[in-house]
Amino acid sequence: DQQVKQNSPSLSVQEGRISILNCDYTNSMFDYFLWYKKYPAEGPTFLISISSIKDKNEDGRFTVFLNKSAKHLSLHIVPSQPGDSAVYFCAASPRPGGTSYGKLTFGQGTILTVHP
Amino acid sequence: DAMVIQNPRYQVTQFGKPVTLSCSQTLNHNVMYWYQQKSSQAPKLLFHYYDKDFNNEADTPDNFQSRRPNTSFCFLDIRSPGLGDAAMYLCATSRDSGWEPQHFGDGTRLSIL
Repeated sequence: DQQVKQNSPSLSVQEGRISILNCDYTNSMFDYFLWYKKYPAEGPTFLISISSIKDKNEDGRFTVFLNKSAKHLSLHIVPSQPGDSAVYFCAASPRPGGTSYGKLTFGQGTILTVHP
Repeated sequence: DAMVIQNPRYQVTQFGKPVTLSCSQTLNHNVMYWYQQKSSQAPKLLFHYYDKDFNNEADTPDNFQSRRPNTSFCFLDIRSPGLGDAAMYLCATSRDSGWEPQHFGDGTRLSIL
């Protein structure tokens, strides 16, 4: 039962253009969403997050959008750069408290390739 | 400036031979996590410690154990590794639970002969 899904295994984009990575979730208890970037032979690196009280969060070239009614989030990278080429994971966490302790459920990842 | 350090980066063990993976952190975070990631799959949480409180995921095999002797260190013990346990093992930390990003180490790639 995959509660977090990234349906596109890969995405190829030209340098300077927009990259849009998508993520869908099924668990309505998820309250906090994160994107991680992973280079080969390295661990995932936290990129940006959004809580369910917002529908948009921006950090430089990275913007995350959350559509709670559709249970969908997306990561926009503008402009895309070759150094952005990596695997991108979305992750979701239930609201704080209880026994969940910030447990993250990850999607399978999307390989982004940005061509010069 | 590595803040979550995993040793070794690559580990080869024999089928059935116990193996221990190590994680240390310089962030003084309360929570430490162990994930298993198989090829092209999502990282899967095995268990985590909130301070000294151990929380095991329901579907984590009994073969997997963990120890956290102090705030800085956490170990993953695989008592009798099978071929299906070959994977990348990721350690992560967070300051607290809830709306806190987790910080990952670079992982240990475990191979089983």
